[in-house]
Amino acid sequence: DGGITQSPKYLFRKEGQNVTLSCEQNLNHDAMYWYRQDPGQGLRLIYYSQIVNDFQKGDIAEGYSVSREKKESFPLTVTSAQKNPTAFYLCASKSSGTGGTEAFFGQGTRLTVV
Amino acid sequence: GQQLNQSPQSMFIQEGEDVSMNCTSSSIFNTWLWYKQEPGEGPVLLIALYKAGELTSNGRLTAQFGITRKDSFLNISASIPSDVGIYFCAGQLLTGGGNKLTFGTGTQLKVEL
Repeated sequence: DGGITQSPKYLFRKEGQNVTLSCEQNLNHDAMYWYRQDPGQGLRLIYYSQIVNDFQKGDIAEGYSVSREKKESFPLTVTSAQKNPTAFYLCASKSSGTGGTEAFFGQGTRLTVV
Repeated sequence: GQQLNQSPQSMFIQEGEDVSMNCTSSSIFNTWLWYKQEPGEGPVLLIALYKAGELTSNGRLTAQFGITRKDSFLNISASIPSDVGIYFCAGQLLTGGGNKLTFGTGTQLKVEL
């Protein structure tokens, strides 16, 4: 089945540790996105990538890093510099072609700092 | 970053009632999307709109792309308990937005039996 897969679904991290969230898609989409969701604040864009080996900061990139070495994969690292990392993280992908505006989401990763 | 103004923020309705929510912006969009998110899950696409004035249905859901390109609404007819969730609008700016979507703040829908 084609889709976008995030793992793990739940993740616990100790303060001061880096942690990497996985996002893989087999939809052959060029563009991939990471969003953070906090209660009552909707979705905020962390990083996005329009093509392999290229990515741009979104609205809240501080404390996060990404890579896009393969078209299918866009991992997000939450570093120790992120002051309030506990949140629900969503990965999405969409085509960059004509009419390719519909974004499809993974099931999310809930990160909790303990 | 810009977010769309989505209202109402939450709704608590009786089963069988019709529901209406909307999104507005000061900017012009070339696409409007409506998503539903259930607790602990990623948003699922409900309806996509591509032309000003377009009216599209998906079962009991109907959405319209505003004629000014600055707004969109979503109606749910005869609500049922499984309609519970958070509904998000999203749009792609006509200019200056790159290949990014801008999201509304969400409407939380609760259905009373």
